[in-house]
Amino acid sequence: KAGVTQTPRYLIKTRGQQVTLSCSPISGHRSVSWYQQTPGQGLQFLFEYFSETQRNKGNFPGRFSGRQFSNSRSEMNVSTLELGDSALYLCASSTATQTLGDTQYFGPGTRLTVL
Amino acid sequence: SQKIEQNSEALNIQEGKTATLTCNYTNYSPAYLQWYRQDPGRGPVFLLLIRENEKEKRKERLKVTFDTTLKQSLFHITASQPADSATYLCALGGTGGFKTIFGAGTRLFVKA
Repeated sequence: KAGVTQTPRYLIKTRGQQVTLSCSPISGHRSVSWYQQTPGQGLQFLFEYFSETQRNKGNFPGRFSGRQFSNSRSEMNVSTLELGDSALYLCASSTATQTLGDTQYFGPGTRLTVL
Repeated sequence: SQKIEQNSEALNIQEGKTATLTCNYTNYSPAYLQWYRQDPGRGPVFLLLIRENEKEKRKERLKVTFDTTLKQSLFHITASQPADSATYLCALGGTGGFKTIFGAGTRLFVKA
């Protein structure tokens, strides 16, 4: 099976712009989670989607949003970019069901740089 | 609030020795605990999962213990090799929450 793919791999934006990142999960995985990773904060949970519904959300401002499509592919959007949004954004898919979480399989990440 | 603590300092060991990494947590009752490996610039890779009713799990040179009373997990790599050099992340998950919480990770260096 193909692994989790993320596009684009690298992105450079300026403050105030918005950005959309894409994630294709492993075939058959219905749960997709997004994380932000920075050297100072480590891996921070953004949100998790299952069957097009957001089931949990981390402590991030409303500028961070996401969605999941019927084919389980997911996108996350960051509006009004700030310098502090520069990070590696990781997507992970899993076989998590309605009631039980499971192992996460991560994509290679999108490296976002905000200038 | 929920908190996971891993050794913030890097761990340096000699090839062939056993590396032991620690994960402590507070204000959480996880249904399971996972360990991941992450290399620079890449996404984490799953290594082992241990459930709350399990005390120990092994996979090749890896061993994980889980003490829900102490709220601690130990991750061991026996006969370590330079290729084991990476950052190792501890993660907690629970039923119903659908939210995995990661520790900051411990950087391991194995010298030849």
